[in-house]
Amino acid sequence: AQKVTQAQTEISVVEKEDVTLDCVYETRDTTYYLFWYKQPPSGELVFLIRRNSFDEQNEISGRYSWNFQKSTSSFNFTITASQVVDSAVYFCALSDQLYNQGGKLIFGQGTELSVKP
Amino acid sequence: DSGVTQTPKHLITATGQRVTLRCSPRSGDLSVYWYQQSLDQGLQFLIQYYNGEERAKGNILERFSAQQFPDLHSELNLSSLELGDSALYFCASSVGEEVERDRGTDTQYFGPGTRLTVL
Repeated sequence: AQKVTQAQTEISVVEKEDVTLDCVYETRDTTYYLFWYKQPPSGELVFLIRRNSFDEQNEISGRYSWNFQKSTSSFNFTITASQVVDSAVYFCALSDQLYNQGGKLIFGQGTELSVKP
Repeated sequence: DSGVTQTPKHLITATGQRVTLRCSPRSGDLSVYWYQQSLDQGLQFLIQYYNGEERAKGNILERFSAQQFPDLHSELNLSSLELGDSALYFCASSVGEEVERDRGTDTQYFGPGTRLTVL
């Protein structure tokens, strides 16, 4: 069965600190897709990144970086030099469906990040 | 702004009632998904439509139904409402076309959600 675990329920940091959000997934499929979404206090879900299981390159986008490790089934998200605007709930999600076969997302429980000034 | 619109933003109703939530996907997207977010269940997939046809079903109650219309907008109907149906309901859309074939799957972009309160 598919499962996504975000063990950190809440994290609190002070502005400019680096913070890593952990995500561990379970799937029996060899091809799968991983996502991160951000849910700010306003409530909408904002797409951050998608990673395919056959592409193990890590990715950096500004202050955001993602570390995908198949060996440990983890897809961790690091925010460097955090800012107050980064305060949100962050969700990791998994899909093992091809686009034309029903692409439901399995979400973790989310990590609430609070960045204090 | 993801380009996905949902109406209404808030909905307050009583137990036993029926409501309809509406979603308009991003221009050009053929797939529409519905998710429910509640404190106890988290984010749960309900149902997916692709170009008017049901494509996948998740933990959707029999009291709930959905459809996608020829103009690609979708509606989620919730009936015989119970207190436990109070939640944030999200619609997402994706391309769903072969333009994403080389990447295996496509990205779902979410609307702002409809917050349903059942009293």
